[in-house]
Amino acid sequence: EVQLLESGGELVQPGGSLRLSCAASGFTFSIYAMSWVRQTPGKGLEWVAAIGGGADVTHYADSVKGRFTISRDISRNTLYLQMNRLRAEDTALYFCARSTRGYGDYEAWGPGTLVTVSS
Amino acid sequence: EIVLTQSPATLSLSPGQRATLSCRASESVSGYLAWYQQKPGQAPRLLIYDTSNRATGVPARFSGSGSGTDFTLTISSLEPEDFAVYYCHQRSSWPLTFGGGTKVEIK
Repeated sequence: EVQLLESGGELVQPGGSLRLSCAASGFTFSIYAMSWVRQTPGKGLEWVAAIGGGADVTHYADSVKGRFTISRDISRNTLYLQMNRLRAEDTALYFCARSTRGYGDYEAWGPGTLVTVSS
Repeated sequence: EIVLTQSPATLSLSPGQRATLSCRASESVSGYLAWYQQKPGQAPRLLIYDTSNRATGVPARFSGSGSGTDFTLTISSLEPEDFAVYYCHQRSSWPLTFGGGTKVEIK
């Protein structure tokens, strides 16, 4: 069974940093592109970042480019999102998601981890 | 950035009725359009990918159609478990984007 489980979300002050993790199991982690998608409480979905199976290709939303870094550790079957210079507008539930066809088309999602940026 | 506009924002229907949800893209997405269902407190669930292909385990009452910039998700006969929020999503170009969602509520 494919499983994704995020962790690392917490309350952080504006300007602070946080690293989210997503533990993957039940599939060959190294061959699938992975993404982070966030959802503001009560609002819609926003794609944040994506990484290819080989970890050599990354893409970012303009709203996080230069502040967030997506990475993966194949040996640990874990996806990461390093978040720096956090802003109030980064407050959201962060999901990791697995693509099945290239990028996008997310057939597997974790339950999400909540990041709150507030003083 | 490709902007996806969903309509209507809310659809009030009764069980057994047909639901028709629209997603319009600001430019062509070359058929790379997906639909997701999200219920409160849950992660989204992929229903349809590449315009009209049902994802694994999705009931046949869900169907997708369209081309170019105009796409439709149809639920042929609403079941009680279908009342949820539905999002469209394009993977044609970066950045990947989602529509604002359509809430299907019980009338």
